[in-house]
Amino acid sequence: NAGVTQTPKFQVLKTGQSMTLQCAQDMNHNSMYWYRQDPGMGLRLIYYSASEGTTDKGEVPNGYNVSRLNKREFSLRLESAAPSQTSVYFCASNLSLKINEQFFGPGTRLTVL
Amino acid sequence: AQSVTQPDIHITVSEGASLELRCNYSYGATPYLFWYVQSPGQGLQLLLKYFSGDTLVQGIKGFEAEFKRSQSSFNLRKPSVHWSDAAEYFCAVGAGAQKLVFGQGTRLTINP
Repeated sequence: NAGVTQTPKFQVLKTGQSMTLQCAQDMNHNSMYWYRQDPGMGLRLIYYSASEGTTDKGEVPNGYNVSRLNKREFSLRLESAAPSQTSVYFCASNLSLKINEQFFGPGTRLTVL
Repeated sequence: AQSVTQPDIHITVSEGASLELRCNYSYGATPYLFWYVQSPGQGLQLLLKYFSGDTLVQGIKGFEAEFKRSQSSFNLRKPSVHWSDAAEYFCAVGAGAQKLVFGQGTRLTINP
């Protein structure tokens, strides 16, 4: 039981390049989330997927797209990376629809030059 | 709108001393409240949670937190800290629609 896994762990991009961050969970959770973490700002929600086949915007969705590929996998895509997207990205999944206890992956550290 | 405030950006305590990290929230309904810990370079680990019932909740690693509705607070405490407790701590409120709203975090440094 690996929990929530994320790939890659580290990535460096040049401005304008694209990439996809991958997330998978093996806990049979219904809901999945993408957050970004910036110094002094805590974690901010980018997008979430309440269930397979649905996605919704969070607090800071601009510049990102997501795909809920199946129940296990939820990917985050940067179509044209900008330096402002330099951050640490966390994926999480939800144990209970009612209680909202979330389990987090180890994070992806992204630098955009 | 829901919000969480952690007034202390950085706290330093001596090993063996007691610890209290502050958290204030704003939420219209009965909140679900959480404390997470993040060690350097790691993801977030759940320390404890409050859903309902007893307002004093126990968590892992010897931590506890007390929910005070009248003060909109959910402060985290530990009677005696260990060097391994050095980390960043995040308070969060369950904000409906299955979302969590996080505070800015408090970085804890332990002096030997």
